[in-house]
Amino acid sequence: EPEVTQTPSHQVTQMGQEVILRCVPISNHLYFYWYRQILGQKVEFLVSFYNNEISEKSEIFDDQFSVERPDGSNFTLKIRSTKLEDSAMYFCASSEVLVRSYEQYFGPGTRLTVT
Amino acid sequence: GENVEQHPSTLSVQEGDSAVIKCTYSDSASNYFPWYKQELGKGPQLIIDIRSNVGEKKDQRIAVTLNKTAKHFSLHITETQPEDSAVYFCAADYSGGGADGLTFGKGTHLIIQP
Repeated sequence: EPEVTQTPSHQVTQMGQEVILRCVPISNHLYFYWYRQILGQKVEFLVSFYNNEISEKSEIFDDQFSVERPDGSNFTLKIRSTKLEDSAMYFCASSEVLVRSYEQYFGPGTRLTVT
Repeated sequence: GENVEQHPSTLSVQEGDSAVIKCTYSDSASNYFPWYKQELGKGPQLIIDIRSNVGEKKDQRIAVTLNKTAKHFSLHITETQPEDSAVYFCAADYSGGGADGLTFGKGTHLIIQP
């Protein structure tokens, strides 16, 4: 069964450093998303991406974040200058259907630890 | 924006009994309500969803009900088994049009007692 994959599984970085989290969405999916989950808390929406541009973003997704689809398979989240509070699990998701409501499938996540 | 409340935060049931988790939402424009199961160290896994033109949906031991008037929806798990132990999240679609980001509830830790 096709699934969303993410690399790395765990990333440790120092405060102020840039990190790039990578995702390979399910191959025939058209919408891509990033979510984060701070330890013990709920999953929070960051950004959605369609047709090579941001479709929607939350107030969490400020200027330090950016997303890119550098080739036909990868979808990346860049955090420009990490802060301690960026420590969280970051989940990539993708969905297929071109209607307002659709199923989003999540990857296993990247645990980001900022020290 | 959308706000989703979920109860209870922890639910402990005896194996074989039923479990019910309830969620309310604030945005009457929301029309898609998925449920996710998250096991330790893994990403959320979609287990069932419901759209606003349907009042109930069932898939084997799992069912979801939706009351659009009251703006609440519930997950029902019957004949619970040890492998049902996990954190369950309800969600609602975030805003109108395009690639909606889901708004999640805070999660329910379901514990199945042997």
